[in-house]
Amino acid sequence: AQSVTQLDSHVSVSEGTPVLLRCNYSSSYSPSLFWYVQHPNKGLQLLLKYTSAATLVKGINGFEAEFKKSETSFHLTKPSAHMSDAAEYFCVVIPSNNAGNMLTFGGGTRLMVKP
Amino acid sequence: DAMVIQNPRYQVTQFGKPVTLSCSQTLNHNVMYWYQQKSSQAPKLLFHYYDKDFNNEADTPDNFQSRRPNTSFCFLDIRSPGLGDAAMYLCATSRETSFADTQYFGPGTRLTVL
Repeated sequence: AQSVTQLDSHVSVSEGTPVLLRCNYSSSYSPSLFWYVQHPNKGLQLLLKYTSAATLVKGINGFEAEFKKSETSFHLTKPSAHMSDAAEYFCVVIPSNNAGNMLTFGGGTRLMVKP
Repeated sequence: DAMVIQNPRYQVTQFGKPVTLSCSQTLNHNVMYWYQQKSSQAPKLLFHYYDKDFNNEADTPDNFQSRRPNTSFCFLDIRSPGLGDAAMYLCATSRETSFADTQYFGPGTRLTVL
């Protein structure tokens, strides 16, 4: 079985400070992992994707995530938050033995950015 | 730009009145998905089409149906909407259903049931 846990339902940061959104997964195999962002009343946009290549994955808008197998984590970071980063972020896993690309979503983390 | 388009963006219907939501794509992808996302929750997959082959999730209510008349279009039909069906409905596409093939999402349709 596989699951993904986002450790914080809400994160609040000040503009210009670092962002850390935490994600842990459980999988018996080598998974594929994604981060998607959803702005209010919008669809999901792919930020970045890990598929067993480099463990440090760079995404759009200055975000990156590091796959740490020993810690079963895939935390999302950004050095300096911008007001436009305020949104809901979903960590998503696909276990390697899955018959396809069906997504298992974490519960989401709402990022708030204070001026 | 290639994209996934959903119409309308906002839909209001009455309790029990059938409603159809529309999705189109210019990506020429084989697979199209429909998700339901209730407030403050993660999206939940309802069903997907691989080309003309329909794949229903086991817990999707019979009240939800789908049609895919051609590669570009896919429709979600809710036969008798209840108050609990008020949600954001997201359409997504992918080239294939191979491991980790990326899904691309449309902007969603927010459904209100009065």
